[in-house]
Amino acid sequence: NAGVMQNPRHLVRRRGQEARLRCSPMKGHSHVYWYRQLPEEGLKFMVYLQKENIIDESGMPKERFSAEFPKEGPSILRIQQVVRGDSAAYFCASSPAQGGEQYFGPGTRLTVT
Amino acid sequence: QQQVKQSPQSLIVQKGGISIINCAYENTAFDYFPWYQQFPGKGPALLIAIRPDVSEKKEGRFTISFNKSAKQFSLHIMDSQPGDSATYFCAAVDSNYQLIWGAGTKLIIKP
Repeated sequence: NAGVMQNPRHLVRRRGQEARLRCSPMKGHSHVYWYRQLPEEGLKFMVYLQKENIIDESGMPKERFSAEFPKEGPSILRIQQVVRGDSAAYFCASSPAQGGEQYFGPGTRLTVT
Repeated sequence: QQQVKQSPQSLIVQKGGISIINCAYENTAFDYFPWYQQFPGKGPALLIAIRPDVSEKKEGRFTISFNKSAKQFSLHIMDSQPGDSATYFCAAVDSNYQLIWGAGTKLIIKP
C-alpha cells in the first residue's frame, strides 16, 4: 500500500514562472491537505480539499496560489508568478475521513532563483 | 497567533536518557493531540496521539502525558537512542479538523 506521493521532490523556478506541485493521496483517502514549511519552522496549513471541492482555504495567500483535487488524478498546488519568498518545502497529507489521522508525503522543495 | 506553544526549541540528551518535550494550548475546543516526528528531508510521520479523555498513553518507549486542566501535554522518550534524533512537532486538531502545529523541537541524542 503506497504512501502519499508527491512530485517533483525538488523544483527550481525563476522569479515570475509558475510552479505546479502534485500530490497523490494514499489509496482510499479522499481528503487532502497542503502545508508549507520554512526552514527551522513548523508546518503552516494552506488548504484542505476533498474530491472536486475546496473545504477550507483559509491558509492560502489570496493571490497567485490555487489548489485543486479533481475527480481523477492528483491534487495540484499551483503557484503563479513565483517570488523568492515562495521558496519552502510544501507538504501534502491525506486522510480517509474528515478529522482522521493525516499521513504526509515526502514534500516538494521549491527554490525560486 | 500561535495556538500551540512548544518547548524547548532544541534539546540534547545522552543516549539512554529521557527526552521530554512540552506543549501548551489555549483553545479548549481542541480534541485530538498528535505528535509527529520529522527527519531531515522527509515529511512528518505520526508518532503517537492522545484524546483529552485520557491522561496518559504509552507506545513502546514513547509516552504522552496529558493534563486537561492545565491545558498541557508532553512527550516522553524513554531510553533515548541516536536514531531518535529528529525534529518533533506537537499538534492539536480544531473543530474545523485543521492541524495546529507547535514550532518544533530539534532533538539530538548524543551517543
